[in-house]
Amino acid sequence: EAAVTQSPRNKVAVTGGKVTLSCNQTNNHNNMYWYRQDTGHGLRLIHYSYGAGSTEKGDIPDGYKASRPSQENFSLILELATPSQTSVYFCASGDAWDRQNTLYFGAGTRLSVL
Amino acid sequence: LAKTTQPPSMEAYEGQEVNVSCSHTNIATSEYIYWYRQVPHQGPQFIIQGYKDYVVNEVASLFISADRKLSTLSLPWVSLRDAAVYYCIVTGDSGYNKLTFGKGTVLLVSP
Repeated sequence: EAAVTQSPRNKVAVTGGKVTLSCNQTNNHNNMYWYRQDTGHGLRLIHYSYGAGSTEKGDIPDGYKASRPSQENFSLILELATPSQTSVYFCASGDAWDRQNTLYFGAGTRLSVL
Repeated sequence: LAKTTQPPSMEAYEGQEVNVSCSHTNIATSEYIYWYRQVPHQGPQFIIQGYKDYVVNEVASLFISADRKLSTLSLPWVSLRDAAVYYCIVTGDSGYNKLTFGKGTVLLVSP
């Protein structure tokens, strides 16, 4: 079973502070993704990566940076957190050669910015 | 990317068959139809994928209209565990294609 682990599961941050959300996958997948989910919206793509050292902007990248130091790890960085970034964040991984285009999601990180 | 339209919510009783529709009028010939579902406090989980006609797996079946503009996810004998948000997504069949999730269909299941 594909495994994607996010940490922390819950985080409270102060406005203007730096927040790092971590994601680790043991699937040896090339692709990794960060989404956020807010009430009234579906999941929205923030950043994604096709492999170690690569990051790409998704649909809502403003205010976020991403880092992919290795195949297994993908981080989402909020340099100056704002209350509007309060949300649930999901990390996912996928095999670039999977014709079914299946993504495997972590359990999510609930972030509150006060 | 083709836009999809789903009903915002549906209700069913345990044991019923549930059919969730999805309209994708601008689907391209290169695009496939994917269904995911998300139960509370978890990330979305893949259910089924199809291109045309009829696809079935151990969880659900997927019917796609002849013009591919409409698909229907069928869940036989729903239980309380099937209460979730169901997402219909249309994109290419490569791992290099991004999945864009809309608001989905909230399925409520009553005993």
